[in-house]
Amino acid sequence: QSALTQPASVSGSPGQSITISCTGTSSDVGGYNYVSWYQQHPGKAPKLMIYEVSNRPSGVSNRFSGSKSGNTASLTISGLQAEDEADYYCSSYTSSSTNVFGTGTKVTVL
Amino acid sequence: QVQLVQSGAEVKKPGASVKVSCKASGYTFTSYGISWVRQAPGQGLEWMGWISAYNGNTNYAQKLQGRVTMTTDTSTSTAYMELRSLRSDDTAVYYCARTTYCGGDCYSWFDPWGQGTLVTVSS
Repeated sequence: QSALTQPASVSGSPGQSITISCTGTSSDVGGYNYVSWYQQHPGKAPKLMIYEVSNRPSGVSNRFSGSKSGNTASLTISGLQAEDEADYYCSSYTSSSTNVFGTGTKVTVL
Repeated sequence: QVQLVQSGAEVKKPGASVKVSCKASGYTFTSYGISWVRQAPGQGLEWMGWISAYNGNTNYAQKLQGRVTMTTDTSTSTAYMELRSLRSDDTAVYYCARTTYCGGDCYSWFDPWGQGTLVTVSS
């Protein structure tokens, strides 16, 4: 199972919106609504930000939103803040009953 | 609150085995799965597999088949991951994560995560 494809880095100024893409295939992202997103600060464990494509867990800011079109899922961070600077990973359930992560995206707040 | 607490760091020689534990609290252990994810230094997340805490069913990443075994002890709400025939490229932080069941053999999102266990493989 190959990793899902994410851009290596995305940057934006405070207050701006940025979008991170996550591209897979019809056997994973495109085939199921089980795409999730994780935020990881250096030296810390990942934190769930979005599950089932677009659902936000309790306690996660509404500045984070998710969507999907075909084989590509997206995470949008609006009103970018300094604390959003972190690595972000997508994940999807697959047709093999496994899970796969994306390659990861480093978000930089300029 | 829901919490996963993992065992401490390990240093192993090539060819040895390591067993990492993950003790769950704050929820009904058998209502979820536990997934294991590892992260090599400076690298991304790699899914290793999941185990159903309800019936012990497992599904492992193909590249680890034959070297990894995941188990649970429902009496102590603890999950274990054993990796055998360790190589230098197994050096990584190993995470456990509670995983939500989505029907059949489907386990989807990971929340929360344990604090991570550093496993270093070096001669």
